[in-house]
Amino acid sequence: QQQVKQSPQSLIVQKGGISIINCAYENTAFDYFPWYQQFPGKGPALLIAIRPDVSEKKEGRFTISFNKSAKQFSLHIMDSQPGDSATYFCAASIAQKLVFGQGTRLTINP
Amino acid sequence: DGGITQSPKYLFRKEGQNVTLSCEQNLNHDAMYWYRQDPGQGLRLIYYSQIVNDFQKGDIAEGYSVSREKKESFPLTVTSAQKNPTAFYLCASSRERGSGEQFFGPGTRLTVL
Repeated sequence: QQQVKQSPQSLIVQKGGISIINCAYENTAFDYFPWYQQFPGKGPALLIAIRPDVSEKKEGRFTISFNKSAKQFSLHIMDSQPGDSATYFCAASIAQKLVFGQGTRLTINP
Repeated sequence: DGGITQSPKYLFRKEGQNVTLSCEQNLNHDAMYWYRQDPGQGLRLIYYSQIVNDFQKGDIAEGYSVSREKKESFPLTVTSAQKNPTAFYLCASSRERGSGEQFFGPGTRLTVL
């Protein structure tokens, strides 16, 4: 019940395309859903986050879509650029802790 | 510059030795966390602390120990009891208790020889 399942494990997208990463959870007590971006050898950086009372949040080219009834949320990267190539983690917060998905390695081909 | 610093960046240890990883933050954050990251896997919580002189075990605390004597510092000791310590270790902090917004340090890569 504490798990967050993330898919796909890896994703290749052409420059200018839309990258979509999905996450699903079971525990309805999760109250905050962030996405992190991590470059090789670096710590993760908070990209964008959403609370369950909102269905969508957009920041620049990054959008989170949240479906509370389906217990799913996704990250959309519009106009994907080679600089977006990184590993992306979804997470869910409960009781002062974050539970992370397994990560998606995104490659944007120029 | 405000942020989280971890040292050293790379650490090599012989089997049977304890080693301590440093984590310092100057963000005035109350909560601090230690995670372990293995290749192809997500981050797993080792220990966390919401306040000075108090800390709780995470999902994989066996073979690790921590202390929180100062708000700014949360060192992690990897003991010889940790059976597979080679990993990338990440420290994080958050500004409020219960806040999901965690900020990460640059990490320490520990290799056991």
